[in-house]
Amino acid sequence: DTQMSQSPSSLSASIGDRVTITCRASQSVSFYLNWYQQKPGRAPKLLIYSASTLPSGVPSRFSGRGSGTDFTLTINSLQPEDFATYYCQQTYSPPRTFGLGTKVELK
Amino acid sequence: QVQLVQSGAEVKKPGASVSVSCTTSGYTFTSYSIDWVRQAPGQGLEWIGTVNPSDNSTTFAQKFQGRVTMTRDTSTNTLYMEMTSLRSEDTAVYYCARLLDYGIKWLDPWGQGTLVTVSS
Repeated sequence: DTQMSQSPSSLSASIGDRVTITCRASQSVSFYLNWYQQKPGRAPKLLIYSASTLPSGVPSRFSGRGSGTDFTLTINSLQPEDFATYYCQQTYSPPRTFGLGTKVELK
Repeated sequence: QVQLVQSGAEVKKPGASVSVSCTTSGYTFTSYSIDWVRQAPGQGLEWIGTVNPSDNSTTFAQKFQGRVTMTRDTSTNTLYMEMTSLRSEDTAVYYCARLLDYGIKWLDPWGQGTLVTVSS
């Protein structure tokens, strides 16, 4: 199974800050890497797919980069609605494993 | 619009079984697989498995093999996930999510989640 690790596990940031979250796969997953945003009591929501593609409706302050084993999610100019937990997921091969999540909190 | 609507919360005793349903709408039912994912209280997301509604084929994470079945009803566009021999560690919110597969795969959208509580 491909293990996914995320760092940091949590971070504190202010409105307007730039935030970067890292996701690392235990083996190459090519571009098969997605990011999801989850708010308390809600289902996860797709944020980025194929490492860097934003679905329609996702603000352009979100961006993703990487391939192979190392990926990043960046939020430029953090907004109040961005305080949430973010998960990466590899879909290169089953089981389609998730990282443990990064909680973004208000400083 | 595409919607996945799940069944309501369940409370089960250890050793019992539970079935969670996921009713889909807004797209061709047999065109997309459905993944099931769970989230224990305060924990991260755990992938359980996937079912292809066109032929009912399934793939499971190894830890769930033999204890989980996934089926579908094409007459009602509904998927079912059944888990047997429940234990307290199975207490979690269970989600279904549509798998988009264009070579690259991703999950979108997700159902609202079903809380399954296992307690004596």
